Amino acid sequence: IAGITQAPTSQILAAGRRMTLRCTQDMRHNAMYWYRQDLGLGLRLIHYSNTAGTTGKGEVPDGYSVSRANTDDFPLTLASAVPSQTSVYFCASSAGTGATGELFFGEGSRLTVL
Amino acid sequence: GQNIDQPTEMTATEGAIVQINCTYQTSGFNGLFWYQQHAGEAPTFLSYNVLDGLEEKGRFSSFLSRSKGYSYLLLKELQMKDSASYLCAVQDSNYQLIWGAGTKLIIKP
Repeated sequence: IAGITQAPTSQILAAGRRMTLRCTQDMRHNAMYWYRQDLGLGLRLIHYSNTAGTTGKGEVPDGYSVSRANTDDFPLTLASAVPSQTSVYFCASSAGTGATGELFFGEGSRLTVL
Repeated sequence: GQNIDQPTEMTATEGAIVQINCTYQTSGFNGLFWYQQHAGEAPTFLSYNVLDGLEEKGRFSSFLSRSKGYSYLLLKELQMKDSASYLCAVQDSNYQLIWGAGTKLIIKP
């Protein structure tokens, strides 16, 4: 593994189902993030974690939950998927903030909720 | 509220120069980032500005004016592979990133 790995890369899901998007990084970065990207909109932050054991809500957290049991893994769970959660989801990590706030992104998970 | 504005789309010719502007209104400022995103791919880091002035990195340069809430990304000697979206993002006073919607750059031969 090099960088950030997301899984699955693509998924079609029935409304009401539970779904977990996985994210693993091997860069030992403290901070990790989940974004969604929709056409015509900027990246929107769902949840973040500044360090293992802590999480925080971003701009659009409703309907999503995260956990950060260790440094490497940051899964995103949709408890009961709805069609408005159809989007491309990006996991990212950074070493810090400011000049070290460069984000490293995973390849994305394209989720379609029917 | 916090806001980042970029043009939605720009077109330029191979070999030419293009300037992509970004204006921002945020709660505090702790740096501005530019990312490149090819269609269907993840964003990748291009540049970081925290002080006023021009940062040059090969064919790409990024400029910042904090007093004007303004930045631009300058791409020289355009190549077809530069066709992509360019995302502007500002770190606010809490070091949270505020993202623009991105500028889709189309390069024509």
